[in-house]
Amino acid sequence: EVQLLESGGGLVQPGGSLRLACAASGFAFSSYAMTWVRQAPGKGLEWVSGVSITGGSTYYAGSVKGRFTISRDNSKNTVYLQMNSLRAEDTAVYYCAKDRLRLGSSYYFDYWGLGTLVTVSS
Amino acid sequence: EVVLTQSPATLSLSPGERATLSCRASQSVSSYLAWYQQKPGQAPRLLIYDASNRATGIPARFSGSGSGTDFTLTISSLEPEDFAVYYCQQRSNWPTFGQGTRLEIK
Repeated sequence: EVQLLESGGGLVQPGGSLRLACAASGFAFSSYAMTWVRQAPGKGLEWVSGVSITGGSTYYAGSVKGRFTISRDNSKNTVYLQMNSLRAEDTAVYYCAKDRLRLGSSYYFDYWGLGTLVTVSS
Repeated sequence: EVVLTQSPATLSLSPGERATLSCRASQSVSSYLAWYQQKPGQAPRLLIYDASNRATGIPARFSGSGSGTDFTLTISSLEPEDFAVYYCQQRSNWPTFGQGTRLEIK
C-alpha cells in the first residue's frame, strides 16, 4: 500500500524557515518524481515544487522560487521542502504527492499524503 | 501561466442525477488535463488524466472529455459519496489547478 507521511509543519514567524519532510513507503520511491502542492485555508490547490527521480532536476512555482528548495534522499525514501523567508501568504496545508508515471514526469499525481499545516504568523 | 476557470462554482444535484462540470483553459493545453476529487479533511484523489483516461480504481460513472481549452467531467449517475469538491489541473506548462467546483446535495 502506497503511503506518504508529511511532517515538519508548525507555527513560524514571518521571515522564518521550516523544513518539511515526506516519508514514502509501499512503492519504488527512486522510480518516481515527487511534488509538493499546498492549499491555503478554505482555498484551492497550488502546485509548489517538483523533483525528478534522481533529484537532479527541480522545478518551482513563481511564488516560491528563490525561497523554497526541494530535494530528495532515495536511500531514505524521503522528499524534503526547505522553506525560507516565509510569508503570511505561505500559510497552507502542504501535501506531498507522487507522480503517476514511473521513470518519468507526467505531472499528474496519483497518491497524496494527508498534509502538514504551516502557519506563518507573528 | 495557464489559468483554469471552472464552472459552475457550486452545483446542486440529487443522487442518481447526471453531473456535468466544466474547465476552461486560458490557452490550449492539448489533452494534458486531469481531474481530482477532494472531500473535507482529505487529500485530493486523481480521477482522470490526459483528459479522458480514468485513473486506477476509478468507477466507470466518471468520464472526462475535451481538448485544447474546453474540458468536461461527467458523473453519469451520482452516488452519495460523489458529493465533494472537484478540481481540474493542467500540466502543459508548470502545473496549475482550477479554483474548484463544489458538488453538493440538493
